[in-house]
Amino acid sequence: GDSVTQMEGPVTLSEEAFLTINCTYTATGYPSLFWYVQYPGEGLQLLLKATKADDKGSNKGFEATYRKETTSFHLEKGSVQVSDSAVYFCALGSGSARQLTFGSGTQLTVLP
Amino acid sequence: DTGVSQDPRHKITKRGQNVTFRCDPISEHNRLYWYRQTLGQGPEFLTYFQNEAQLEKSRLLSDRFSAERPKGSFSTLEIQRTEQGDSAMYLCASLIGAGGLVETQYFGPGTRLLVL
Repeated sequence: GDSVTQMEGPVTLSEEAFLTINCTYTATGYPSLFWYVQYPGEGLQLLLKATKADDKGSNKGFEATYRKETTSFHLEKGSVQVSDSAVYFCALGSGSARQLTFGSGTQLTVLP
Repeated sequence: DTGVSQDPRHKITKRGQNVTFRCDPISEHNRLYWYRQTLGQGPEFLTYFQNEAQLEKSRLLSDRFSAERPKGSFSTLEIQRTEQGDSAMYLCASLIGAGGLVETQYFGPGTRLLVL
């Protein structure tokens, strides 16, 4: 079945550092790819998405490119802020129901 | 648009008891999903409704679990004869869509269940 493998955390960075969180997937067909973020005490929020190969999703300085040849959707940000501290989930949407299959999440802590 | 709401936010119950959770999706969202999230893991799909019809169920949804969406608006998830392994966060999500690729699921805050 479909699966998502995400870089294990926790990840701790200093403010203004470069962030990469790796995500690879296994899926049949042509899934949509998503990054969701969960801030402390809050629900899951969509961060960005991409629906076909070579699409780039971007939001709030975060970017991820849908790479079909490497089945990857790595999340990047050039300069992280303390407010980016959260848990990040990579997910794919597939099937007739377009249900989401999530990775296990990566805890990011950004220190001032 | 007040977002997806879930009630209760927290539930503590004793093993063997029945519990019921409610989800109110964003109005006019025709699709509704239930997920379960255990500590340190990502959410796992449980079931999906399009309007009032339950169209798909995960193998995770044992026969102790039942979900309904009687009028195509709010949904309930009931767990009968709870077990300690049912302790988790139960998430609801909704979207408006007709099967395309670009729909975004909007998540509620979740109901955290603890079975003692």
